[in-house]
Amino acid sequence: EIVLTQSPGTLSLSPGERATLSCGASQSVGSTYLAWYQQKPGQAPRLLIYGASSRATGIPDRFSGSGSGTDFTLTISRLEPEDFAVYYCQQYDTSPITFGQGTRLEIK
Amino acid sequence: EVQLVESGGGLVQPGGSLRLSCVASGFTFRDYAMYWVRQAPGKGPEYVSLTSSHGSTTYYANSVKGRFIISRDNSKNTLYLQMGSLRPEDTAVYYCVRGRGSGWYYLDSWGQGALVTVSS
Repeated sequence: EIVLTQSPGTLSLSPGERATLSCGASQSVGSTYLAWYQQKPGQAPRLLIYGASSRATGIPDRFSGSGSGTDFTLTISRLEPEDFAVYYCQQYDTSPITFGQGTRLEIK
Repeated sequence: EVQLVESGGGLVQPGGSLRLSCVASGFTFRDYAMYWVRQAPGKGPEYVSLTSSHGSTTYYANSVKGRFIISRDNSKNTLYLQMGSLRPEDTAVYYCVRGRGSGWYYLDSWGQGALVTVSS
């Protein structure tokens, strides 16, 4: 199965700053079948990005995704207070689908 | 609005059984593959099982194969997960999730989750 490794484990930033989260795959993720999710305490994950770079419905344009092959990035251009949460990447190229271990984005 | 509402979670002893249900609304349920995904306390999400839109094809994570059964009733817009031979490591919030797109699907709509605790 494809192992996804996210870095950093925790990212401490201030509102208004730019956040860059990374997701590395143990083998190439074909057709850019890579998604990103946001999860807040006590809530289910919410889809942000699919196909590596397509925003899901209702997701603000400060969220963007990029990458291909084994290296993917989620960028939040200017952090809003509501963006502080845990972020997961997920590949859906091969079975079983797998998730990264998450990056916690915390307020500095 | 897409809604997925799980029920059936609770406390069960090791070796016991439990059946989760998920009622879907706001979309044509029979047109979508559906997942069960779980999340242990303090951990990331983990794939459990997948069923095709018609229920004719099912898949399982190795960790639950032979113990869990996924099924669906498209006439009732309901997804099920029958869990048996439960172990403490099965303790988690179980989410009913809609699959979307190509490949093995990204997960575009999640239920609120059902907590399953396996403990004596």
